[in-house]
Amino acid sequence: NAGVTQTPKFQVLKTGQSMTLQCAQDMNHNSMYWYRQDPGMGLRLIYYSASEGTTDKGEVPNGYNVSRLNKREFSLRLESAAPSQTSVYFCASSWFGQGGQPQHFGDGTRLSIL
Amino acid sequence: GENVEQHPSTLSVQEGDSAVIKCTYSDSASNYFPWYKQELGKRPQLIIDIRSNVGEKKDQRIAVTLNKTAKHFSLHITETQPEDSAVYFCAAQSNQFYFGTGTSLTVIP
Repeated sequence: NAGVTQTPKFQVLKTGQSMTLQCAQDMNHNSMYWYRQDPGMGLRLIYYSASEGTTDKGEVPNGYNVSRLNKREFSLRLESAAPSQTSVYFCASSWFGQGGQPQHFGDGTRLSIL
Repeated sequence: GENVEQHPSTLSVQEGDSAVIKCTYSDSASNYFPWYKQELGKRPQLIIDIRSNVGEKKDQRIAVTLNKTAKHFSLHITETQPEDSAVYFCAAQSNQFYFGTGTSLTVIP
């Protein structure tokens, strides 16, 4: 099993360009998440999808859109990239239900916007 | 929403000593508290977790304690080794996960 797979691993964009970060999981998890990680600020939730067909905003959703394509895949789109969106982006998945279940993270996408 | 605070932000210990990292949370509905270890350039990886119906959990050199009344939980690492050097994150889950800002642990050989 690959777990959580993110593509691409690295990307450099110019201000105003658009791109989509891809995430897929093979653990049959129902919930998927997108985080950004900036130095000294931990992991901040951008969007999440508690189950297939639903998406909700997290702490820092502005400038991003998401699509839960199916149970396996959850993509993050930057429509018009800005330098403030330079960050490391992590996708995660988990079972969402009573009692809590841990999240499993992908390897991250390192995104630089010039 | 939930607010998770984590202290200290940096921690240096001598090899063999113990390390303690503390987190507080604000939402009494939070019922699941995982701890993640993140090595430089790598993904966060779960090292231990605790649910709200348990006060303490131990796994070899790592232990976590939870005080629901005071809304705080702590990570304890005993007999630290250089390979324990990393950034550690606490988290609390109610309807979603909320992460602390991380503790950079350095174990000095």
